[in-house]
Amino acid sequence: LAKTTQPISMDSYEGQEVNITCSHNNIATNDYITWYQQFPSQGPRFIIQGYKTKVTNEVASLFIPADRKSSTLSLPRVSLSDTAVYYCLVGDQGGGGGFKTIFGAGTRLFVKA
Amino acid sequence: EAGVTQFPSHSVIEKGQTVTLRCDPISGHDNLYWYRRVMGKEIKFLLHFVKESKQDESGMPNNRFLAERTGGTYSTLKVQPAELEDSGVYFCASSQDISRLYPGELFFGEGSRLTVL
Repeated sequence: LAKTTQPISMDSYEGQEVNITCSHNNIATNDYITWYQQFPSQGPRFIIQGYKTKVTNEVASLFIPADRKSSTLSLPRVSLSDTAVYYCLVGDQGGGGGFKTIFGAGTRLFVKA
Repeated sequence: EAGVTQFPSHSVIEKGQTVTLRCDPISGHDNLYWYRRVMGKEIKFLLHFVKESKQDESGMPNNRFLAERTGGTYSTLKVQPAELEDSGVYFCASSQDISRLYPGELFFGEGSRLTVL
């Protein structure tokens, strides 16, 4: 099973760009990298997903190097409302064709005014 | 469009009692997952349904936990008898398109908090 490692916490200020890096040395060929955001008392919410190189959507960018052993979530110009826990997940295909998403400890981002 | 809904939002029971959690996935989503986070720990996978079939239940902690998804619509997760260590938040998620080779986007409910006294 592919395991991920992220910083436990990060602090930032409003308007800054935040980059959160995740290590996944044992990523498998068919695995994708997915990032989720979670606010207190809510379920995780999908942010972005990628396989290699760079992916960008209206919320964030995801940078994945050629070896795919790490990935970086980039949040442009964060605001106070971006304070949350961010999870890096690596898609794992379980037995029988099922999919098992493995959550790590996540990174607690605190955005200050 | 309604999202994933879970009921109850919070349940407080005594050790040895039974609790049943319910999850209504997004309409049309064949995949349904259960996860849980016990106090201070990471979110852990419990099991995965594809329609009414259990695709992967390797994360179920023991035989006190029983998940069902009759008819491939809503799912229930029963804990019987509940123990103190079962306290935590139980999340349900759903997704569509089982042909993909990656998890895709999972839509999570807000979770059901279980407190066992």
